[in-house]
Amino acid sequence: VIWMTQSPSLLSASTGDRVTISCRMSQGISSYLAWYQQKPGKAPELLIYAASTLQSGVPSRFSGSGSGTDFTLTISCLQSEDFATYYCQQYYSFPWTFGQGTKVEIK
Amino acid sequence: QVTLKESGPVLVKPTETLTLTCTVSGFSLSNARMGVSWIRQPPGKALEWLAHIFSNDEKSYSTSLKSRLTISKDTSKSQVVLTMTNMDPVDTATYYCAAALKGFDPWGQGTLVTVSS
Repeated sequence: VIWMTQSPSLLSASTGDRVTISCRMSQGISSYLAWYQQKPGKAPELLIYAASTLQSGVPSRFSGSGSGTDFTLTISCLQSEDFATYYCQQYYSFPWTFGQGTKVEIK
Repeated sequence: QVTLKESGPVLVKPTETLTLTCTVSGFSLSNARMGVSWIRQPPGKALEWLAHIFSNDEKSYSTSLKSRLTISKDTSKSQVVLTMTNMDPVDTATYYCAAALKGFDPWGQGTLVTVSS
């Protein structure tokens, strides 16, 4: 099983801030990593796949980087609609696993 | 447009077996590039991947839940079915199905299943 450590679990930020979320793997996964955004009461939505490829329709203020064991999701200029919970997920090997989530709240 | 929708009971009793159905549209379950997973989320907690089925009927399961889960598909009905045996109150969660290619996209709307006597 590939274990994932996502940090921080809670991030307080203001509109316009640049924020970064980290995801660290217990073993290398090449670039088989996805990031999701989830708003209360809604299903998650795919933001980024293959560690750095933006899903169609996702604003360019979102970006992903990393490979191997260390990955980062960056929101360059936080907007009001970005306050949500974010999850990383590896699809390198079964069982697929999710990070524990990062809630981005208004400071 | 690819869509998925979950259906099943909203309430099950402890020890019962849960059966959930995911009905897909916009793609064929025999599509070699696409598979379907089930994922759940207890109230206020993180996402947990449960099971996946490929177009060639190959399956994979969560290590911790493998003994309780069965995933199957009916290509003619465009449905993927998940059964989970011996339900317990800790299995109370929103259950999602999602198409999987490079990450999960799209997701169904989810269905909340409560386990209570």
